[in-house]
Amino acid sequence: NAGVTQTPKFQVLKTGQSMTLQCAQDMNHNSMYWYRQDPGMGLRLIYYSASEGTTDKGEVPNGYNVSRLNKREFSLRLESAAPSQTSVYFCASGIERGTASSYEQYFGPGTRLTVT
Amino acid sequence: RKEVEQDPGPFNVPEGATVAFNCTYSNSASQSFFWYRQDCRKEPKLLMSVYSSGNEDGRFTAQLNRASQYISLLIRDSKLSDSATYLCVVNIAYSGYALNFGKGTSLLVTP
Repeated sequence: NAGVTQTPKFQVLKTGQSMTLQCAQDMNHNSMYWYRQDPGMGLRLIYYSASEGTTDKGEVPNGYNVSRLNKREFSLRLESAAPSQTSVYFCASGIERGTASSYEQYFGPGTRLTVT
Repeated sequence: RKEVEQDPGPFNVPEGATVAFNCTYSNSASQSFFWYRQDCRKEPKLLMSVYSSGNEDGRFTAQLNRASQYISLLIRDSKLSDSATYLCVVNIAYSGYALNFGKGTSLLVTP
């Protein structure tokens, strides 16, 4: 049981290049999320997918697109990378426990992206 | 105004000390509350959920005050391994169960 996996772990891009960050979970969770974390800013939600076939914008979606390929996989695409997208990107999957709306999330190890 | 606010610290405490972190949230529709722990350059990991009646997990005690929109985490008998950043997290159900994270409080436990 690997939990949430992300590839790649590190990436350096030049401004204007594109790339896709991959995320997969093996916990049979319905919901998946992409966050970015910047120094002094905390974690901010980029996009999320509440269930297979649906995606919604989070707090900072500009410059990104996502695909919920199936229940396991949720990818994040940068079409034209900019230096402002230099960040650590975390994927997470979530499950609701009990009836108290307790909604826990489990994170992947992150992708450290630098755009020059 | 940030929806979840925490004192960034750092809190420097000796081993064995008791330390408390506080957090306030602005959205009264918040339904679920958590403390996550993040080690340097690692992913956040769930430490504990926070229930209205308060809850305890070993040396960790979490409290929630809905009227004041305030969450706390108490760590007793601090260990060196408790050194990390502690993230206060709230969930608003109508937002698709997305989580709102505070910026975190840094704790350093020293020998």
